[in-house]
Amino acid sequence: DAKTTQPTSMDCAEGRAANLPCNHSTISGNEYVYWYRQIHSQGPQYIIHGLKNNETNEMASLIITEDRKSSTLILPHATLRDTAVYYCIVRGDNTDKLIFGTGTRLQVFP
Amino acid sequence: DAGVIQSPRHEVTEMGQEVTLRCKPISGHNSLFWYRQTMMRGLELLIYFNNNVPIDDSGMPEDRFSAKMPNASFSTLKIQPSEPRDSAVYFCASSLFGDSYEQYFGPGTRLTVT
Repeated sequence: DAKTTQPTSMDCAEGRAANLPCNHSTISGNEYVYWYRQIHSQGPQYIIHGLKNNETNEMASLIITEDRKSSTLILPHATLRDTAVYYCIVRGDNTDKLIFGTGTRLQVFP
Repeated sequence: DAGVIQSPRHEVTEMGQEVTLRCKPISGHNSLFWYRQTMMRGLELLIYFNNNVPIDDSGMPEDRFSAKMPNASFSTLKIQPSEPRDSAVYFCASSLFGDSYEQYFGPGTRLTVT
């Protein structure tokens, strides 16, 4: 599985867009990019995933570069409840195994 | 659906005792995962099952740890004998293999070994 690199921490003002970057320069053609988040003391929560195309759901948008070596998770209007650790994970094809890294600790402030 | 159910939510035990953690996956899911989370090591995958069969147990730290899935609705993670370094939060997750592979996590069991 490809390794991911994320900033250790980020801040974002409430109501503004939070843009969380992830580098996965060794990703192979059949590997997916997944994003999860973990709010303090809770189990991780799925946010979104993609292969090549940009994806959007009710929680967030995922922008994957054309060469697929990096991606950005966008929370369009961050709220205080979005304060959490965000994990970017690369998953191989035909497996449901996920390897969590250290993630990015996002702090949303009033 | 009630989601993934784990019990107990908190467990405090003395070193050397046997500990059994329990997990009920979401009905209809056919993959089940056990994770351990500590400050030092983060979130680690211990073992996962597909259709009740262990697929990858490479994350199981040592022989003191064992996991079973006797049927599609129940799994256990056992530590015998327990040691203080086993203190952690243990999460169970389930997913539907072949779908989006989205994993649904339980609330976790906080284990303290004194």
